[in-house]
Amino acid sequence: SYVLTQPPSVSVAPGKTARITCGGNNIGSKSVHWYQQRPGQAPVLVINYDSDRPSGIPERFSGSNSGNTATLTISRVEAGDEADYYCQVWDGNNDHVVFGGGTKLTVL
Amino acid sequence: EVQLVESGGGLVQPGGSLRLSCAASGFSINTYSMNWVRQAPGKGLEWISYISGSSSTIYYADSVKGRFTISRENAENSLYLQMDSLRAEDTAVYYCARDRSSIFGVVIPYFDYWGQGALVTVSS
Repeated sequence: SYVLTQPPSVSVAPGKTARITCGGNNIGSKSVHWYQQRPGQAPVLVINYDSDRPSGIPERFSGSNSGNTATLTISRVEAGDEADYYCQVWDGNNDHVVFGGGTKLTVL
Repeated sequence: EVQLVESGGGLVQPGGSLRLSCAASGFSINTYSMNWVRQAPGKGLEWISYISGSSSTIYYADSVKGRFTISRENAENSLYLQMDSLRAEDTAVYYCARDRSSIFGVVIPYFDYWGQGALVTVSS
């Protein structure tokens, strides 16, 4: 089955740029979606189809996907961005949705 | 306003059964594929099941296949998850989620709306 690998944690100072990676075999050939989950809340879609931002998501959130790594980039990080972030793809070979293990973003 | 509201969670003994419901409002679910995703305490997200708008296509995660059954009643704008032979490792918050990709006629699911979740605890 397809596996997505994320770093367990990323730390960044306010105003700086955070980059959260999502590794998978030839992930560049798949569409990657990203979710933000604040404590005690349901996940929220922040990036779909590698780099598209849903309505209402700040322009500070962006995404890229190439080769074996997809990346969620958060510019000018704010305290409110502190949350868990998950990448997600569709594994068409097994007809399964796959989530990465999640990355906890800490704003220092 | 699009809303998804899960219900039916609770405490159940190992080997028992539970049925979750997800009531949708603000849109008609018949045009969307729907999914269940769960999250064990302190753990990450785990997808468990997908159902197409017409119920013609259904997928399950290996961890629940043969024990859980997804269904929908479009006339009631509702989604269901029948959970049988429950195990301690099924303890989690269960979310229903709408698949945005389904309106494009493709099966590349991603989730634009989520419910608030229903807690299922399997314990003796």
